Amino acid sequence: DAKTTQPPSMDCAEGRAANLPCNHSTISGNEYVYWYRQIHSQGPQYIIHGLKNNETNEMASLIITEDRKSSTLILPHATLRDTAVYYCIVRSIKAAGNKLTFGGGTRVLVKP
Amino acid sequence: EPEVTQTPSHQVTQMGQEVILRCVPISNHLYFYWYRQILGQKVEFLVSFYNNEISEKSEIFDDQFSVERPDGSNFTLKIRSTKLEDSAMYFCASTPGWLETQYFGPGTRLLVL
Repeated sequence: DAKTTQPPSMDCAEGRAANLPCNHSTISGNEYVYWYRQIHSQGPQYIIHGLKNNETNEMASLIITEDRKSSTLILPHATLRDTAVYYCIVRSIKAAGNKLTFGGGTRVLVKP
Repeated sequence: EPEVTQTPSHQVTQMGQEVILRCVPISNHLYFYWYRQILGQKVEFLVSFYNNEISEKSEIFDDQFSVERPDGSNFTLKIRSTKLEDSAMYFCASTPGWLETQYFGPGTRLLVL
């Protein structure tokens, strides 16, 4: 699976958009970008995923660059409950790639 | 909304004892996983399970670990002889199909003394 690079931490103001970057420059054509978050040692929570098109759901938007080497997760209106560690994961669709490989993630602190 | 559930939420055991961690995956899911997270460290994959067989396991998943789906609803992780370094949060996950989104349970915090 391709390696991802995320900033270790970032702060965000409550009510503002939070833009979380992820670099995955070695991503291959059969690899998806997944985002999960983990709130204070709870189980990882699925947020969104995409292959090459931008995606949006009720939680967030995912913007993937045209060359697919990086992506940005956007939380449109951050709340205090969005304080968590956010993981960007590249996941292969090959048979041996069904597991998720977590990195260190970005620790996001939403401040009032 | 259906959820993965895990029991117990906390377990304290003595080194060398056997523990069984239990998970109830989402009801129509077919693929099951165990991950663990040592305090302050990354979430690590342990094992994946489908059709009553292990489909992939990590180096962590040695002979001390085993998994089982004893009935139509439970999925268990057994550690035969616990070590201090087995202390961690253990997360179960499930997915309806291959390469579909994995949904995680709340975890079991295991403390080995």
